[in-house]
Amino acid sequence: DTEVTQTPKHLVMGMTNKKSLKCEQHMGHRAMYWYKQKAKKPPELMFVYSYEKLSINESVPSRFSPECPNSSLLNLHLHALQPEDSALYLCASSQATGTGLYEQYFGPGTRLTVT
Amino acid sequence: GDSVTQMEGPVTLSEEAFLTINCTYTATGYPSLFWYVQYPGEGLQLLLKATKADDKGSNKGFEATYRKETTSFHLEKGSVQVSDSAVYFCALSDIDNDMRFGAGTRLTVKP
Repeated sequence: DTEVTQTPKHLVMGMTNKKSLKCEQHMGHRAMYWYKQKAKKPPELMFVYSYEKLSINESVPSRFSPECPNSSLLNLHLHALQPEDSALYLCASSQATGTGLYEQYFGPGTRLTVT
Repeated sequence: GDSVTQMEGPVTLSEEAFLTINCTYTATGYPSLFWYVQYPGEGLQLLLKATKADDKGSNKGFEATYRKETTSFHLEKGSVQVSDSAVYFCALSDIDNDMRFGAGTRLTVKP
C-alpha cells in the first residue's frame, strides 16, 4: 500500500475561521511533509517532520500550525488565513529524511479557498 | 544551492509522437533524481527515479537516464497517448535537501 490520504478534499473558509487539514499514511514512513502549491507552480515545502518531531519550518507564517500526533498522522491547523493562502495543500511521506535516497509519496491534496 | 531546470512548456504533441522533456540539475553532492507527474486536480505521483550515475529509471513506457557528465535527467517516451496529458516535474534529493522541484512542464497530447 503506497497510499497517502488527505481530508477534506475541498475546504472553503473565512478569514476568521479555524480549520484543520488531515493526512494519514500506513507505510511505516518516518518522515512527513506539508507543501503548498499555487496554480501552475511546483510544490513549495512548508514543514518537515522526522520521527514525529518538527525538523524543518520553511519560514511559514504562524497562522499555519503543524502537528504530528503519531507516526501515521499529520495535521495542519489553520487560523486567520488570508485570501493569498488559497492553494492546493499537499501532504507527502517518505521512509526517512536527510539521506537523499528516498522518494516521497504524495496525497491527493486539499484544495483550500479563503474568502 | 541545489536546483533543477526544466524545459519551458507547454508542450503539445499528437498521439503516438515521441516525447522528450529536458531536465538539468545543479548539485554539490550526489543527488537522487526523480520525475513526478501531476494529473489535473490530483497530487503528484512518482513516475520514475534514479539514484546514481548511469542508472536508468523506467515506468509506463517513460524512461530517463542519470547523466552525471551532462548533469541531466531527460524524460522520454516513444509514443505518447492522450492519457499522458499532465504536468511533469523533475526533482532532485540529496543529503541536504529532501526534494527540489523544477518549474514543471505541461504536456498536452491531442488525438
